[in-house]
Amino acid sequence: EAQVTQNPRYLITVTGKKLTVTCSQNMNHEYMSWYRQDPGLGLRQIYYSMNVEVTDKGDVPEGYKVSRKEKRNFPLILESPSPNQTSLYFCASSLRGWNTQYFGPGTRLTVL
Amino acid sequence: KQEVTQIPAALSVPEGENLVLNCSFTDSAIYNLQWFRQDPGKGLTSLLLIQSSQREQTSGRLNASLDKSSGRSTLYIAASQPGDSATYLCVPNTNAGKSTFGDGTTLTVKP
Repeated sequence: EAQVTQNPRYLITVTGKKLTVTCSQNMNHEYMSWYRQDPGLGLRQIYYSMNVEVTDKGDVPEGYKVSRKEKRNFPLILESPSPNQTSLYFCASSLRGWNTQYFGPGTRLTVL
Repeated sequence: KQEVTQIPAALSVPEGENLVLNCSFTDSAIYNLQWFRQDPGKGLTSLLLIQSSQREQTSGRLNASLDKSSGRSTLYIAASQPGDSATYLCVPNTNAGKSTFGDGTTLTVKP
C-alpha cells in the first residue's frame, strides 16, 4: 500500500532533550516536506526537500533540522526542544514539488 | 510572501445543499493549487489539484475553479452530505516546493 508513515505518532518529552521524528514514503517520491499545525495558525511549512541531499527552509524552520540522505526518508530533528514546539506535525511527499502531496497521519508532540 | 485567505471560516448547511468555498491568494505566480480535506484529529486527504493553465477540475460532486490572474479559487460541492463535514484547505504551490496553506473552511452538513 502506497503510504507516508511517521513515527512516533505521539510523543511527550521535556525541554532540551533531543528527539527525532521519522518520516518514510514507499512511493519513490522525490519531494518531501514537513509541516506543523497549530490552532489559529493553520499548517505552516518547516522544511522541504526537492530531492536527495537537497533541502530548503519553509516558513518556520527555526529550532528544526532535517536531512535527506536517501529518497524514502526525511527525518525531522529537534536538537533542543522547547514548549513552543508543542504541535501536531505532518510529513508529506509528492512525485515532484508540484504534484499532488500525500500526507502522513501526523505526530502529536508535547514538550514540557 | 504568499498569503492565503479562505472564506467563510465556518459553514453549516442542511444536507442536500450546493455550496461554494472561496480561496484567495496574494501571489499569482503559482504552479498549481490543491484542495484538501482534513477530518478532526486526522491527516489531510487530497481532493483536487488544478494546474495554473487550467480553469476547472472535477471529481465526482466536487468542482474546483482557478482564476490565477485574480488570485482566486473556488471549491463547489454539489448535493452535500453529512460525510462531507470536515475542514477544507486551499494550497497554492510554487514549482520550487513551497506550499502555503489557508486557515481552512470548517464545513458541517446536518442530516
